[in-house]
Amino acid sequence: DAGVIQSPRHEVTEMGQEVTLRCKPISGHDYLFWYRQTMMRGLELLIYFNNNVPIDDSGMPEDRFSAKMPNASFSTLKIQPSEPRDSAVYFCASRPSGVTEAFFGQGTRLTVV
Amino acid sequence: KQEVTQIPAALSVPEGENLVLNCSFTDSAIYNLQWFRQDPGKGLTSLLLIQSSQREQTSGRLNASLDKSSGRSTLYIAASQPGDSATYLCAAKLTGANNLFFGTGTRLTVIP
Repeated sequence: DAGVIQSPRHEVTEMGQEVTLRCKPISGHDYLFWYRQTMMRGLELLIYFNNNVPIDDSGMPEDRFSAKMPNASFSTLKIQPSEPRDSAVYFCASRPSGVTEAFFGQGTRLTVV
Repeated sequence: KQEVTQIPAALSVPEGENLVLNCSFTDSAIYNLQWFRQDPGKGLTSLLLIQSSQREQTSGRLNASLDKSSGRSTLYIAASQPGDSATYLCAAKLTGANNLFFGTGTRLTVIP
């Protein structure tokens, strides 16, 4: 398996633009997590899904952020409109039920100018 | 909410030294604690996972310990090598929760 795949690896956008980050979890993993990493706050959970259903979105900072998982092999994290303070590395992770070890993607480095 | 702290934030050691990285957590109701390695511009690689019922786990030159009562975990790296240079993160999973609470990491530099 290729592991958790995220795209794009890098994204630079202007303030006010819509940004969509993508994640393909490992096949057979029914938990999917979105994390954000910043220098100030480290890694923070934004939202996680189980069997494509959002379970906990309490970490989503504002209504500008939304996440979807239309099927077991794809998830998106959208920011609209983007702001400079959204600049961070966004990680996607997945794991199967009954296993506590999560597998992380390479991350998407977002820069909003 | 679980608070996870890692001290120091950065550490430089000469090659060959043994070293210890520290991780503290506030909620002792953890299910497990995991140590990760992160290289610049890369994702997270899981190194060791300690269940709450365990005291330590070993993998090669790495040894991780867990003391729930004191809210601490340590990652011991023996005979450090320049290739060990990276940021090391610990993450706690609480009983009944599905997500991980991460520390801010320790950036390790091993000087040749």
